Amino acid sequence: GAVVSQHPSWVICKSGTSVKIECRSLDFQATTMFWYRQFPKQSLMLMATSNEGSKATYEQGVEKDKFLINHASLTLSTLTVTSAHPEDSSFYICSAVRDRGADTQYFGPGTRLTVL
Amino acid sequence: QKEVEQDPGPLSVPEGAIVSLNCTYSNSAFQYFMWYRQYSRKGPELLMYTYSSGNKEDGRFTAQVDKSSKYISLFIRDSQPSDSATYLCAMQGNFNKFYFGSGTKLNVKP
Repeated sequence: GAVVSQHPSWVICKSGTSVKIECRSLDFQATTMFWYRQFPKQSLMLMATSNEGSKATYEQGVEKDKFLINHASLTLSTLTVTSAHPEDSSFYICSAVRDRGADTQYFGPGTRLTVL
Repeated sequence: QKEVEQDPGPLSVPEGAIVSLNCTYSNSAFQYFMWYRQYSRKGPELLMYTYSSGNKEDGRFTAQVDKSSKYISLFIRDSQPSDSATYLCAMQGNFNKFYFGSGTKLNVKP
């Protein structure tokens, strides 16, 4: 149990376009989902915390108008990178938590975004 | 001071060795402790999840938590080349707030 999927697994886009990444919990309902960014050989950098039915909470320094997060259901959260630029190229990983109390995060396989 | 400290390595060991990976933390309120394994270009995979102090064993993996010292460890017995990956420790605070170590890169040589 506790499988999280991401789609697409990789995407290449032109500068100025928007890209949507989906994160789904396949066999459980996720009360909370997290979005991370990871640069090569670096650890996870939390971008935002997303609770179903409410606005996402963004970490300091993360532009909420650039990284739009929608957690419309208990099994789906989306991250849209708007007007992408080459510096947005990175590995984006989502994770999900089953319960608000004691539970760990289950990570998706990640999405590699390359902006040309 | 970072909430969680983890030596980035790399740590290189021969196949069959016992591996010890460690993290220290500063917040005594942490109750839940996790170890994740991340292969290159993949998402982290949960290895061990423990609550409070003590040991937990799962196959070749043993997680150890010492809350009095604010120190957690992951031991890998009979290490295999397939164990080569980056290992992340993580801790859970209040309100679903998680804190990750920077990850230790492990290389098990055949």
